[in-house]
Amino acid sequence: NAGVTQTPKFRVLKTGQSMTLLCAQDMNHEYMYWYRQDPGMGLRLIHYSVGEGTTAKGEVPDGYNVSRLKKQNFLLGLESAAPSQTSVYFCASSYMWARAEAFFGQGTRLTVV
Amino acid sequence: SQELEQSPQSLIVQEGKNLTINCTSSKTLYGLYWYKQKYGEGLIFLMMLQKGGEEKSHEKITAKLDEKKQQSSLHITASQPSHAGIYLCGADGGGSQGNLIFGKGTKLSVKP
Repeated sequence: NAGVTQTPKFRVLKTGQSMTLLCAQDMNHEYMYWYRQDPGMGLRLIHYSVGEGTTAKGEVPDGYNVSRLKKQNFLLGLESAAPSQTSVYFCASSYMWARAEAFFGQGTRLTVV
Repeated sequence: SQELEQSPQSLIVQEGKNLTINCTSSKTLYGLYWYKQKYGEGLIFLMMLQKGGEEKSHEKITAKLDEKKQQSSLHITASQPSHAGIYLCGADGGGSQGNLIFGKGTKLSVKP
């Protein structure tokens, strides 16, 4: 059972380039989340989804877009990457809201130069 | 909106010592999570607390949610080098379902 899989694991982008991070879960979870983790800042929620076709903004949504066209996939897009988006990105999913464990992927380390 | 404050920010303890990490919220906590993260890796689920006064244990780690459901503590007994890492608490951020937020984490180092 793969759980939550993030693709890619590492990426270096030039300022202004675009890219999409893919999060896939095979647990039939309704809820999915994208976080960024920076030193001293903990995990900050970027966007989340409560089901297929739905998305919502978290704490730090600016500069990112998301889509949840299929229940198992949650995509995070950077349209025009900036150095401030250099971070480690984590995806997570959960079956229920506030009553079940959230499972995390292994992270994507993104560097924008 | 909800904010989670963790204390201390970092902690260095001698192997074998006990320690406590706290997570305090400005609002009532529903579904408080504790996770552990090793450097460069993903988050490992430790336990989840929902009811006021609830206490759960896993090996040498015990977590408790206070009666008012605004503070949780994580206690490690007889710490070992394997306990080293970053501990994060997470909870409902308020506003709408799905707003799962985390504290800034507590970095634990255990000296052999």
